[in-house]
Order: sequence, then C-alpha cells, then structure tokens
Amino acid sequence: DFVMTQSPLSLPVTPGEPASISCRSSQSLLHSDGNNFLDWYLQRPGQSPQLLIYLGSNRASGVPDRFSGSGSGTDFTLKISRVEAEDVGIYYCMQALQTPYTFGQGTKLEI
Amino acid sequence: VQLVQSGAEVKKPGDSLKISCKASGYSFPRYWIGWVRHMPGTGLDWVVIIYPHDSDTRYSPSFQGRVTISADKSITTAYLQWSSLQASDTAIYYCARSYTGSAWDFWGQGTPVTVSS
Repeated sequence: DFVMTQSPLSLPVTPGEPASISCRSSQSLLHSDGNNFLDWYLQRPGQSPQLLIYLGSNRASGVPDRFSGSGSGTDFTLKISRVEAEDVGIYYCMQALQTPYTFGQGTKLEI
Repeated sequence: VQLVQSGAEVKKPGDSLKISCKASGYSFPRYWIGWVRHMPGTGLDWVVIIYPHDSDTRYSPSFQGRVTISADKSITTAYLQWSSLQASDTAIYYCARSYTGSAWDFWGQGTPVTVSS
C-alpha cells in the first residue's frame, strides 16, 4: 500500500499570513499519462470533507485561488497564500493512483 | 448533484446494519461511489469503492470480509452493510463520488454509527 506522510501535523497560523503543508508518498504518484494522482481535501469542524485540489495542482470548482497545489512524483505541497478564518480545519492529502486509496494523517490548521 | 445519506444508527455488538447513500443530479452508473470511515479523533480511511455501471468493486484490505458494498441503479442508491458489528466500527461513514477515482468532488453529510453494548 501507499503510505502518505504529512507535515506538520499541527499548523498555527495568523490570518493574512501564508501557510504550507507537505505531503510525501512512499511511492511515486506519477501516472504514465503525465498526471500525478494526488488530491487535497479540507474537513472543516463538523463538516464532510471537501475537495480542494486534484491531480496535484488543479483547483476544484469554487475553491478560492489562494489555494494552490504543487509537486510531482513523491513530494507535494499545498499552499495557502493568505490564510482566512474559514480555512480552519484538517487538511488531508490522498493518493488516487492505486486502490486501496490512502490518506495522509491530516494537518490541523488553527488560527 | 446531491448525496444524501441515511440517519444516525445505534447498534449493539453482533447486530447487522445497512446504511445508504441516495444520489441525484448526475448519471449514477457512470461515477464511482466510495465509502470513507472517520473514527473519533483519527483521520480518514477508505473503506471500499464501486462502479455502479458494472459493479466493479475495490475493497481496502482492512475492510475486506467485514463490510459489503452494493449499488442499486434503479433507485440510484449505494449501500454499505455489516453482518456483525463490532465496537471498533463506531465512526462516521461518508459516501462520495468520483468520475475517475481521483477528485472525489461531492460528499454525503455522513452517517454516524455507534456500536455499544
């Protein structure tokens, strides 16, 4: 199975400041079609997870452009250019290259 | 697009259970439906996914033999069922959909399952 490792696990931030979360996979997520099968999700307190980024760097519909994803192969990063209060929650990376899909442990972003 | 899940359940160890995820607003057979477990105080775990069109099913090894997924195309509903619950099955279970297996873009509201004697 693919093991996904996130860091940090806890991320205190100040509104208006940038934030960055790292995700490392135990195996490459680069498909032969050139896509990296890595998604990012946010689970706000008391809510269902929501898709932020798919295929490593594509923002999902309705996601603010302050969120961006980058990386390839085994190392990926989610960046928030200017954190807002509504960004509080737990961020998960997830590999979708091969079943069983696997999530990272989650990174708790706190204001 | 909507995924509407059945309500909270409280069961005893050894009980059976079937929870549902009613899909609407899209072509149900042509999107993967998956179930994700969220145990109290822990992260997210994939349980199983199904492609309703041909019932192609992929279980996570940790859940193989413990749960069963099914999908009824006639009523655009997916199910997750247990034949004998354990206390360790206590969690919130979410359903979600994806066109390709990546980008799970719509999620249900979650079904809390509590198993306690």
